[in-house]
Amino acid sequence: GDSVTQMEGPVTLSEEAFLTINCTYTATGYPSLFWYVQYPGEGLQLLLKATKADDKGSNKGFEATYRKETTSFHLEKGSVQVSDSAVYFCALRGSGGSYIPTFGRGTSLIVHP
Amino acid sequence: GAGVSQTPSNKVTEKGKYVELRCDPISGHTALYWYRQSLGQGPEFLIYFQGTGAADDSGLPNDRFFAVRPEGSVSTLKIQRTERGDSAVYLCASSKRTGEGNEQFFGPGTRLTVL
Repeated sequence: GDSVTQMEGPVTLSEEAFLTINCTYTATGYPSLFWYVQYPGEGLQLLLKATKADDKGSNKGFEATYRKETTSFHLEKGSVQVSDSAVYFCALRGSGGSYIPTFGRGTSLIVHP
Repeated sequence: GAGVSQTPSNKVTEKGKYVELRCDPISGHTALYWYRQSLGQGPEFLIYFQGTGAADDSGLPNDRFFAVRPEGSVSTLKIQRTERGDSAVYLCASSKRTGEGNEQFFGPGTRLTVL
């Protein structure tokens, strides 16, 4: 079945550092890929998405590129802020007609001033 | 506007008791989803509704879990004879419709602790 693997956290960075959170997936066909963010005390929010190979999703300075050849969708940001501290979830939605996403375990990001 | 709300935010119960968790979706959203998030894990799908009917309940772990959405708006997740393994955060999400391009909006969750 479909699955998503994320790097384990926590990831601890200083403000203005470069961020990469790795995500790889297993799925048949051509899934859609997502990154969600969960700030402390809040619900999950969609951060960005990509629906086909080589698409780049971007939002709030975060980017991720759908790489079919490596089955990856790594999240990057050039300069993190303290306010980016949150848990980040990679997810996929299969191409078989189901609209239910499969989530990774989440990666906690802690940004220090 | 108001987002998805869930009540209670925290629920502590004893093993064997019955609990109800409530979800108020965004007004006008016809699709509603329930997920369970165990510590250190991502959300796992339980059930989703399109209108009043359960369109897919394949994620419910066993027959102790049941959910309803009688008027196509508010939904209640019901857990009978709770077990310690049921302890988790239960998330609700809603979307305008199902299908490609319909973003799910999540509530803050209900943290259930079974002692």
